[in-house]
Amino acid sequence: DAKTTQPNSMESNEEEPVHLPCNHSTISGTDYIHWYRQLPSQGPEYVIHGLTSNVNNRMASLAIAEDRKSSTLILHRATLRDAAVYYCILLQRGSQGNLIFGKGTKLSVKP
Amino acid sequence: NAGVTQTPKFQVLKTGQSMTLQCAQDMNHEYMSWYRQDPGMGLRLIHYSVGAGITDQGEVPNGYNVSRSTTEDFPLRLLSAAPSQTSVYFCASTKTGGLPGLGYTFGSGTRLTVV
Repeated sequence: DAKTTQPNSMESNEEEPVHLPCNHSTISGTDYIHWYRQLPSQGPEYVIHGLTSNVNNRMASLAIAEDRKSSTLILHRATLRDAAVYYCILLQRGSQGNLIFGKGTKLSVKP
Repeated sequence: NAGVTQTPKFQVLKTGQSMTLQCAQDMNHEYMSWYRQDPGMGLRLIHYSVGAGITDQGEVPNGYNVSRSTTEDFPLRLLSAAPSQTSVYFCASTKTGGLPGLGYTFGSGTRLTVV
């Protein structure tokens, strides 16, 4: 399975944009890029996913590099409630569909 | 609300006891899975199922048993609890595991302590 690399931790100020990077240099053409986040004492929560094009939803935006070897999750205005561990996961089309979690990036948001 | 329901939320077991963690979803999802999360770690896959009657092992299956007799339910059995199984357990589901264009829904977890 292709692996992802994320920084262990990041800090942001409230109401400022946050860019969470993810490297996946061994990504294959059929791998989807998924992002999940886990708030303290809760189960993971789906954030966004994409294949080749940039994606937007009500929670965040996903910017995918042209060569697909990296991606960035963008939170447009961080709130205290966005403090969580963010996981970048590759999911291969046609596989059993198992999400394989790394250690993720712990995002702290300062008021 | 529709979603993944896990019971119980908290459980304390003595070493050697057995128990079943329950997971139910009402979204008609074919794929369900179980994870464990140890303190400060990411989630590790225990077992998964791509449909009723079909189960398979994940990364850390030893000491756990599963069955999938209905689409809605995917119970996780601890055969003989050990302190090393102290963890938080999460159940997840999605419509079809082989379609990575869909998001996964997670339950709120069962916090298990084995003494």
